[in-house]
Amino acid sequence: QKEVEQDPGPLSVPEGAIVSLNCTYSNSAFQYFMWYRQYSRKGPELLMYTYSSGNKEDGRFTAQVDKSSKYISLFIRDSQPSDSATYLCHGAISNFGNEKLTFGTGTRLTIIP
Amino acid sequence: DGGITQSPKYLFRKEGQNVTLSCEQNLNHDAMYWYRQDPGQGLRLIYYSQIVNDFQKGDIAEGYSVSREKKESFPLTVTSAQKNPTAFYLCASRDRANYGYTFGSGTRLTVV
Repeated sequence: QKEVEQDPGPLSVPEGAIVSLNCTYSNSAFQYFMWYRQYSRKGPELLMYTYSSGNKEDGRFTAQVDKSSKYISLFIRDSQPSDSATYLCHGAISNFGNEKLTFGTGTRLTIIP
Repeated sequence: DGGITQSPKYLFRKEGQNVTLSCEQNLNHDAMYWYRQDPGQGLRLIYYSQIVNDFQKGDIAEGYSVSREKKESFPLTVTSAQKNPTAFYLCASRDRANYGYTFGSGTRLTVV
C-alpha cells in the first residue's frame, strides 16, 4: 500500500483560475510535507515545504496540511500557462533516510490560455 | 552554481548489456538517491546512500547496482538482469537538515 495517494488527473483549468491539488497520506509519523513541480522530461524541483499542520504561502502558491484528516493541498492562484506541469506531493518522517514509498504518483496539470 | 548533474541525458542499450548512469553533486549533501519514474507509477526508489561506502536497497533494487566511493558521486549500473529497464531515471540528494530533495535532470534509458 502506498503511503501517499494522489489523483493522477489530468486536470485542465483556464488561465487565471484557482487550482487545488490534493493528496492523502496514511503514515501518522509524517511531519514534513513537500510539493514538487516537474516539467516534461525534467527532474522535479522543490516548490513548497511545510512542517506539521497549517498553511504556508509563497507568492501565488499556498501549501496546506491537515494532520487530523491526513490531507495535504497545494493551491495556485491566478494560474498561468507556465504552471502546466506534473505536481508531486511528498511526506517525510523525522529520521534521516526513511524515504520509502513517500511520493505521490503526481497530478498532471494543464493551464489553458 | 550548486546542483546535480546526470549524464547522459539519453541512453540506448541493447538487450543483455550492462549500462552505467552517472550522477554527480556539488552541494555537499550527505545522502544520494536513485529513483525510477514510469508513467502512472510515480517515483520508485531503487537505491540510496547516506554516507560514503554505504548504501541500502530501495523498493525495486533487483537488477541494479550502485557504488558510493566519493561523497559527490553515486553511479547506477543497470544490469542485464533488469527485465524492464526502459524508464526515466532520476538522481537526487539532500542533507540532514533539509527534508527537500534536489533532483538532477534525469536520464532516459531505452533498451533497443
